[in-house]
Amino acid sequence: GENVEQHPSTLSVQEGDSAVIKCTYSDSASNYFPWYKQELGKRPQLIIDIRSNVGEKKDQRIAVTLNKTAKHFSLHITETQPEDSAVYFCAASNGGANSKLTFGKGITLSVRP
Amino acid sequence: GAGVSQTPSNKVTEKGKYVELRCDPISGHTALYWYRQSLGQGPEFLIYFQGTGAADDSGLPNDRFFAVRPEGSVSTLKIQRTERGDSAVYLCASSEASGGRTQYFGPGTRLTVL
Repeated sequence: GENVEQHPSTLSVQEGDSAVIKCTYSDSASNYFPWYKQELGKRPQLIIDIRSNVGEKKDQRIAVTLNKTAKHFSLHITETQPEDSAVYFCAASNGGANSKLTFGKGITLSVRP
Repeated sequence: GAGVSQTPSNKVTEKGKYVELRCDPISGHTALYWYRQSLGQGPEFLIYFQGTGAADDSGLPNDRFFAVRPEGSVSTLKIQRTERGDSAVYLCASSEASGGRTQYFGPGTRLTVL
């Protein structure tokens, strides 16, 4: 089955700096890659997703890049703000009849004011 | 519109007891997923419904776990003879259909087995 790994497990940045979170996946059949943000005690919320037919997608301060050959994808957050502090999960699915998501373990991002 | 809702938000039970966790998906969403999230981990897939039928239950850890979705909307996750290792947050998600569509998560039920 699919295996998704995230590195690093924690990341601390100064407010205003950029943050990059990387994920790798194992199943070459995976073609849908969402990123979720989860604040303490809250539900995971989708912040951006990418499908395998594109290499990059941007939404304001957030972007995701995908390298299918290397089987990794990254979340880029620019001009970080304290409210960006949360746990970020990457996930992968094969987008088929059953699109169950396989999640990484999560990365705790801390933005220092 | 209303998002995915789950009840109860917290459930404390004793080892060996039976529990039911409820999920109300977004109206019109045909696909429904259950995940389990342990502390410090990402959500782990349990079971997937397309309409009323369980299309994939490969994530259920053992036969103490069972889920139903009799009318293709509300789903109930049932756990028999609970064990301390079942303690976790149980998350439900729904999407318009399968095929890589966005999954919207509920707030979860925090289950604590004493």
